[in-house]
This record gives sequence, structure tokens and C-alpha cells, in this order.
Amino acid sequence: QVQLQESGPGLVKPSQTLSLSCAVSGGSISSAPYYWSWIRQYPGKGLEWIGYMSSSGSTRYNPSLKSRVTISRDTSKNQFSLEMISVTAADTAVYYCARTWDFWGQGILVTVSS
Amino acid sequence: DSVMTQTPLSLSVTPGQPASISCKSSQSLLHSDGNTYLYWYLQKPGQSPQLLVYEVSKRFSGVPDRFSGSGSGTDFTLKIGRVEAEDVGVYYCMQSTQFPTFGQGTRLEI
Repeated sequence: QVQLQESGPGLVKPSQTLSLSCAVSGGSISSAPYYWSWIRQYPGKGLEWIGYMSSSGSTRYNPSLKSRVTISRDTSKNQFSLEMISVTAADTAVYYCARTWDFWGQGILVTVSS
Repeated sequence: DSVMTQTPLSLSVTPGQPASISCKSSQSLLHSDGNTYLYWYLQKPGQSPQLLVYEVSKRFSGVPDRFSGSGSGTDFTLKIGRVEAEDVGVYYCMQSTQFPTFGQGTRLEI
């Protein structure tokens, strides 16, 4: 069974960059036909898809976040990452990584505050 | 964007009774490849969402057969044949025919 685990800082200052990683076990992020996603859940519980990366490394992003987000990967570590620039308090959320769309990580709370 | 609207927003069910949740999309979810990418998730308290149903009506591995999905085009339904205490949580529909969007969630209580 595929398992995913998010890691990264739980507190980021406004205007700085949010950086998270997702370690994958039980499956390779380079194996077709899977995609690997980042999703976030706001404190009010709404869910928002951020973007995904294919097994070949191509990416697709939510148009509302595209200018601020980059998803990358390290195949040697079997992990993929999220970078979001210029964060504000509105980016405070639980961030999930997932194998699109069956297995999800446990999530990591990221708070944007000075 | 496909806006996903769920009803009801909350549901109180007696154990052993059925339950039904509706999900309506602002656009048809039929993809040009012939598939309809509509999913149902359950988020139990303190946990991440877990997949129940994919592509409208296919139950994910290990999901009890009391859960069933149906629908087409813009109208979809998740039915729970006989609700059990472990079914408590928030149910979300999600589409990925266009860029992925989620419904606002339906809270099920016993």
C-alpha cells in the first residue's frame, strides 16, 4: 500500500516562501500512470487542489495559484515537493500530498504569521 | 471552473437507516475520453480524506458495499445503504474532468 508523509515548517512568515516535501513509500513516483498532487484544506474545512506532477515530471497547477506555486521532485529520494512564494495569512491551511486520487498523507498544518 | 454543490450540508441518521448525499456540478463531468471523473471521499474526525468511490460508481478497495455511487452528466449521488456509527464524518465530492474542484462537504452525524 502506498504511504505518503508530508514534512516542512509549520510556521512561515508573511511574504516568505512555503516549502513542503512529501516522502512516498510503497510505490515509485516515476511509475505510470500515476499523478502526485498537493491539496490544501482551509480552517473552515474547504478543500482546494493546488497542482500535480505526472510520473514523467510534467506539471499542472490550479490557475488561481499558478503564478506562486512550483511542484518539483527528487526521484532518487522518491519524494516530491511544493514551493509557494509570497505567502499571506490566507495561505494558512492543512497541506496534503496525495497520489491522485486514492492515497493521501496525514497532512501538515502550515500557519502564516509574523 | 466546475463548481460542485452538495446537499444537504448536514445529515443526522439513525444507525441502520439509509442516507443519501447529492452533488451537482455546474458543468458536465463527461470527459472527451468517455469517462466521468467524479469521486466521493469521507473525512473522519482528525483524519485525511479517504477515497470511497471513483469514476461515479466504482467502489475503492476495502470500501463496504453499503456505499454506492450513481449519476451522470451534472448530477451525482452517494448512497449509504445502512448507516453505521463508523460512517460519521464529512463527505466530499470531487471532480477532475476539468481542473479538480471539491464540493463544500456534507457532515453526517449519528
